[in-house]
Amino acid sequence: GQQLNQSPQSMFIQEGEDVSMNCTSSSIFNTWLWYKQEPGEGPVLLIALYKAGELTSNGRLTAQFGITRKDSFLNISASIPSDVGIYFCAGGSNYKLTFGKGTLLTVNP
Amino acid sequence: GAVVSQHPSRVICKSGTSVKIECRSLDFQATTMFWYRQFPKQSLMLMATSNEGSKATYEQGVEKDKFLINHASLTLSTLTVTSAHPEDSSFYICSAILTTSGKETQYFGPGTRLLVL
Repeated sequence: GQQLNQSPQSMFIQEGEDVSMNCTSSSIFNTWLWYKQEPGEGPVLLIALYKAGELTSNGRLTAQFGITRKDSFLNISASIPSDVGIYFCAGGSNYKLTFGKGTLLTVNP
Repeated sequence: GAVVSQHPSRVICKSGTSVKIECRSLDFQATTMFWYRQFPKQSLMLMATSNEGSKATYEQGVEKDKFLINHASLTLSTLTVTSAHPEDSSFYICSAILTTSGKETQYFGPGTRLLVL
């Protein structure tokens, strides 16, 4: 089946720093989505990307759909303590999503 | 964004009993919903696709007779874990597709924590 490689697995940063994480795949996806999950909660949609090359921002978050359709990155600028959580990328094809393994983000005040 | 709810949020049951989990799209209709399972510190694994008015489609390795799915209406899908065993203890999350301007986006429910004793 399709597999996504998400990196890094975890990040420990200071408040105010910028963060970057990415996902790569051996398969092509039609959509890329980024979700954030906090303990005991379901994933919350951050950014959805529908076209190769698309660059979309949502506040301090910016994500891009790679030109090859096999990768995507998420940047968070000027991190704050409430950014802590697990960030998942998900590649979409035929309505189904394949999830990366997640990036655990810790922000030190 | 769209709102998806799940009920119950957590359930504890005895081994051998059945548990039903509901997933509702609150402000939109969803012909397609999905059920995922997530074990601690792991990613979400798709179990099945729930289709309104037709049978669910199960992923490889997921027993359809154990995880019964019923998509009774355009806003409700249910997952019943039959004859639950401790190894079925997990976090079950549903999602629903919202289509806007030709773009499909999956929105997730808050999850149901199942503990089988």
